Amino acid sequence: DQQVKQNSPSLSVQEGRISILNCDYTNSMFDYFLWYKKYPAEGPTFLISISSIKDKNEDGRFTVFLNKSAKHLSLHIVPSQPGDSAVYFCAASLPNSGSEKLVFGKGTKLTVNP
Amino acid sequence: GAVVSQHPSWVICKSGTSVKIECRSLDFQATTMFWYRQFPKQSLMLMATSNEGSKATYEQGVEKDKFLINHASLTLSTLTVTSAHPEDSSFYICSAPGRIYNSPLHFGNGTRLTVT
Repeated sequence: DQQVKQNSPSLSVQEGRISILNCDYTNSMFDYFLWYKKYPAEGPTFLISISSIKDKNEDGRFTVFLNKSAKHLSLHIVPSQPGDSAVYFCAASLPNSGSEKLVFGKGTKLTVNP
Repeated sequence: GAVVSQHPSWVICKSGTSVKIECRSLDFQATTMFWYRQFPKQSLMLMATSNEGSKATYEQGVEKDKFLINHASLTLSTLTVTSAHPEDSSFYICSAPGRIYNSPLHFGNGTRLTVT
């Protein structure tokens, strides 16, 4: 049972435009959400996170939105750059587990075309 | 720079042999480390939690006798895939928690295991 779902395996956008990566979850007990970015042959690197008490968190070009009622979160990248091309994983954790025991989605491969 | 070092980055072995993967925390101590496995086009799946000085905690469905975990020091955890079979071919990644609660996990670069 996939508790964290990234239904789009891939996304392609033009440089300078907005990239929107989506993530849905089924477990309403999740209270902390993270986005990781992964380049080929490397481990994931942390990008941005959001607690369930918030609905938006922004860090430079990256913004994560959380809609708890819809059990949906999204990552917005604007403007998109070719260096953003990578696989993006959405992850969630339960209360009291912090960022340690994470449940990951399958990832979305983002390609930003020059 | 990298805070978690994983070695080797790739390994090819014959069926029936054992392979050891090392995960080191650099410049910090990690009493807990996590081992994940990723099959192609699948998500990262937590296999086990490595605990320094005590037994590892395995997730449901993970064979502890096949995937031996040793966390002998505060900076080193090892995963040994014993009697490897082709179906064990996968991408194995270790991670360690950040220093502060709820700080993100730091991941190693992963090990691509191919069993022939």
